[in-house]
Amino acid sequence: GEDVEQSLFLSVREGDSSVINCTYTDSSSTYLYWYKQEPGAGLQLLTYIFSNMDMKQDQRLTVLLNKKDKHLSLRIADTQTGDSAIYFCAESGNYGGATNKLIFGTGTLLAVQP
Amino acid sequence: DADVTQTPRNRITKTGKRIMLECSQTKGHDRMYWYRQDPGLGLRLIYYSFDVKDINKGEISDGYSVSRQAQAKFSLSLESAIPNQTALYFCATSDPRGYQETQYFGPGTRLLVL
Repeated sequence: GEDVEQSLFLSVREGDSSVINCTYTDSSSTYLYWYKQEPGAGLQLLTYIFSNMDMKQDQRLTVLLNKKDKHLSLRIADTQTGDSAIYFCAESGNYGGATNKLIFGTGTLLAVQP
Repeated sequence: DADVTQTPRNRITKTGKRIMLECSQTKGHDRMYWYRQDPGLGLRLIYYSFDVKDINKGEISDGYSVSRQAQAKFSLSLESAIPNQTALYFCATSDPRGYQETQYFGPGTRLLVL
């Protein structure tokens, strides 16, 4: 079945770069997403990448996609304390006849130390 | 005003009680979802609805039922609550653009079953 895996925790110092990694199993995924969940809030879309792209950059965020290894990463440059949150990777595809169903990873808790 | 709202935000109930969690959206989206979030397990899909007449089971639908009263409203019921249904519940909506589909999440309902 479909599976999306992430490490549970990442701790970095303020000003450093953070790299959050994700592996997925379904090679037919058309889009891959990164969502951010701040304490006490729902998930918000950070960015997404189409499966035929290798990289997408958006200000401090860089998404890298390695389709051969089914590996997705999110790099946050100059990490700030406000970046502390849980980051979810998600893949989309056609599962069981349902189009665009999202499969979420377990989430990575990013802790930014001042 | 928030686009996706959930009520109640927090609920404590006892084993065997019937409870309903409600979700409303002002985004005008046809697609709505219910997820539960447990520590270390990420988000798991309970039910989803692609329009008012369409209801589908997700990966963990046992013990839950839903009702899509209108395009804007999607309710989740626990007919006879049990302690392992203690979790954080999220409602989401989406409006797919081809294969790209951003989901918009509500703030969550924290449920404790004693």
